[in-house]
Amino acid sequence: AQKITQTQPGMFVQEKEAVTLDCTYDTSDQSYGLFWYKQPSSGEMIFLIYQGSYDEQNATEGRYSLNFQKARKSANLVISASQLGDSAMYFCAMRVGFGNEKLTFGTGTRLTIIP
Amino acid sequence: GAVVSQHPSWVICKSGTSVKIECRSLDFQATTMFWYRQFPKQSLMLMATSNEGSKATYEQGVEKDKFLINHASLTLSTLTVTSAHPEDSSFYICSARRQGAGNTIYFGEGSWLTVV
Repeated sequence: AQKITQTQPGMFVQEKEAVTLDCTYDTSDQSYGLFWYKQPSSGEMIFLIYQGSYDEQNATEGRYSLNFQKARKSANLVISASQLGDSAMYFCAMRVGFGNEKLTFGTGTRLTIIP
Repeated sequence: GAVVSQHPSWVICKSGTSVKIECRSLDFQATTMFWYRQFPKQSLMLMATSNEGSKATYEQGVEKDKFLINHASLTLSTLTVTSAHPEDSSFYICSARRQGAGNTIYFGEGSWLTVV
């Protein structure tokens, strides 16, 4: 069985600072994918970034980067130059196996950006 | 713009009635869609896999007669909460993967269900 752990229930960060959201995962499969989603208060799940288990380089998407440390089974999300609009819940998720689209989610981290 | 769309965004229904939530893939075909449920301040939990043209696959503990899923076309999956009760009040959200769009799995906007 696979598991995602997010140990930070909430974080407060000053605007314009960088922030790292932690995510560790557990799976015995060699093929898996890791996702980060942002969920504002409206509820929608906004895709941020993806990292495949065989990807050699860390994924980056604009201000978002994923610090993938395979040996440690961690996939931390780094948001550079945080903005007030970044305040939201952030979920780390994993799919296991090739072509599998089911996601297992962590418990989430509520990020609040302080002006 | 949205890749996966859900309707309605909000619904209030009386206890004992049924309510249908639609999930549509926009501009692409999805042979498989997924339905999740999220209670307030909790994470998303997978309820079932919706398979086009065949029966849905339910996760352990999810009542298939309670949560009816129909995937009648390649762009539409519906979730019907039958004989709804207040404990069914929750946020329901669907997902689909757009073929050819890498590994991105997109979610609908979600549907807030309140049973009174």
